[in-house]
Formats: sequence, C-alpha cells, structure tokens
Amino acid sequence: AQSVTQPDIHITVSEGASLELRCNYSYGATPYLFWYVQSPGQGLQLLLKYFSGDTLVQGIKGFEAEFKRSQSSFNLRKPSVHWSDAAEYFCAVGAVNTGFQKLVFGTGTRLLVSP
Amino acid sequence: DTAVSQTPKYLVTQMGNDKSIKCEQNLGHDTMYWYKQDSKKFLKIMFSYNNKELIINETVPNRFSPKSPDKAHLNLHINSLELGDSAVYFCASSQTPRLDTQYFGPGTRLTVL
Repeated sequence: AQSVTQPDIHITVSEGASLELRCNYSYGATPYLFWYVQSPGQGLQLLLKYFSGDTLVQGIKGFEAEFKRSQSSFNLRKPSVHWSDAAEYFCAVGAVNTGFQKLVFGTGTRLLVSP
Repeated sequence: DTAVSQTPKYLVTQMGNDKSIKCEQNLGHDTMYWYKQDSKKFLKIMFSYNNKELIINETVPNRFSPKSPDKAHLNLHINSLELGDSAVYFCASSQTPRLDTQYFGPGTRLTVL
C-alpha cells in the first residue's frame, strides 16, 4: 500500500536560516509527489509538485524539493526561512486506485520560526 | 475570485443531528474530492467524484453521503452525527481524475457536542 512518512513532527528554525523537511514515500510505481502548506486556520496550498523530468523542482515562495528515487525521498528545502513560513507542511503521493487518483498524505511537519 | 469554496466555515452541532457541507469550484475541473483531517492533522480521502459520478469511496460509514448535482458542486451530508465526526473537512478539485494536481478549499471545521 502507498504511504508517506514525515519523520519530523516539529522543526524549529531561526529566521534567515536554511530549512529541510524530510519526506519518504512507499509506492510501487513512479510516484507523483506533492508538497502542500497549511497556515493556521487555512486550507492547503500547493507549494510544488514532481511528475517527471528534472528531479529538482522549484515551487512558490522560494521553496524547492528534490526527488531521489534511490532513497524514496522528496525533501523540501528553502535557503532562508521567513517568519511567515511558520505553518504545517504536508508531503503527499498521488496514488492510483482502480485507475483513479487519490492523494496519500504524510502526517505533516509543523515548522516554527524563531526570531 | 475563490477557486474552491466551502460553506459553512464552522459548524457546531449536537450528536444525532444531520448536517450538510457544501463545496463549489469555479476552475472548470471535472473531478472533486472530500478529505477529512482529524485532530492530529492527518488527512485522508473520503470520496471522489468525476463528472458527477462516484469514483472513489474509501471506508467511510454510510452515514456520510456525498452528492454532486453538477460537476462544479460536491456536497457532503452527514446523518446521525457522532463525536468522532468532529474534524476539518476539505473539499478539493482537479482537472482530471488521473494523476493531477488537486486544489483545496479552505476547510469546514465540524464540532459535534
């Protein structure tokens, strides 16, 4: 069965420091991978996605992620974190079920940004 | 110019009641979804509709009944509400039901007392 693991429940980063959020997936076929962000009390906003091609993908708000098939990982990075980046981050894999897609989410990582 | 909208944003009700949550998308997408986010923030798909037809039905109690009057709308009706139904319910849509980007609504926080 498809699954996504985000091993870090919480991460605290100083403003201006770099960030890496970890995501590992389990999926039998070539995965479609996503990172979403959820600000407090808000819905989910798509940060970036990987479908195929270049394994380093750029997203909105200065985020990027790298797909590493050998490690079954899709880690999210940002070179310099801003206070407004504090939010919950979800990694997801697009899994095909009887020909149709559903998103399987990880449990999320809460990012705290310290001054 | 909201892409995926849900009403209401908050819903507080008593156990045993019946309630509905509405979802509308103006993206022209064919496929819509309902997800449930529990108190630990875990998100899980419940249903998916494509062109008004049910295509994904996860293991959800039959007290939950989705209805899609047209492909821009997907409503969720819940009968005989239970405490465990308290959660945030998210609607989403995608252009196709295949591997595609899903766009989410703002969520409806349901609290059952």
